[in-house]
Amino acid sequence: GDSVTQMEGPVTLSEEAFLTINCTYTATGYPSLFWYVQYPGEGLQLLLKATKADDKGSNKGFEATYRKETTSFHLEKGSVQVSDSAVYFCALNTNAGKSTFGDGTTLTVKP
Amino acid sequence: DTGVSQNPRHKITKRGQNVTFRCDPISEHNRLYWYRQTLGQGPEFLTYFQNEAQLEKSRLLSDRFSAERPKGSFSTLEIQRTEQGDSAMYLCASSPGPGRALSNQPQHFGDGTRLSIL
Repeated sequence: GDSVTQMEGPVTLSEEAFLTINCTYTATGYPSLFWYVQYPGEGLQLLLKATKADDKGSNKGFEATYRKETTSFHLEKGSVQVSDSAVYFCALNTNAGKSTFGDGTTLTVKP
Repeated sequence: DTGVSQNPRHKITKRGQNVTFRCDPISEHNRLYWYRQTLGQGPEFLTYFQNEAQLEKSRLLSDRFSAERPKGSFSTLEIQRTEQGDSAMYLCASSPGPGRALSNQPQHFGDGTRLSIL
């Protein structure tokens, strides 16, 4: 079946550091890929998405590129802020529209 | 877009009791999904509806769980004879549904209902 594997956390960075959170997937067909962010006490919010190979999703300084050859969708940001502290989830959608999520990576940014 | 609304936000109950949660999706969304999330894990799919039809149920959804969406708008998730292992965050999400590529549609999540079993 479909699965998503994220790098284990937690990740702790200083403000303005470079962020990478790794995500790889296994799926039949051609899934769309997503990153969601979850702040404490809230539901998941869409951060960015990519719907086909080599697409780059971007939002709020975050980027991720859909790499079909390595089945990866790594999240990056050049300079993190304290306000980026949250849990980040990588996810895929198949043609049925149902989502499969990774286990999440907790990011803490210290001033 | 008023967002996905879930009620209650928190539910504390004794083992063996029945509980019911409600989800109000974004009004024009045809698809509605239920997920369960435990600490340190990502959301796990439970079931989904297209309008009032329940199209798929996960094997995680034991016969103590039932979900309905009677008029294709709000949905309820009921757990009968609750057990300690049912303690989790129950998330509802919605998406527009057919008419556009389903795989491209992100899910819009509510803030969840946290269930605690004493």
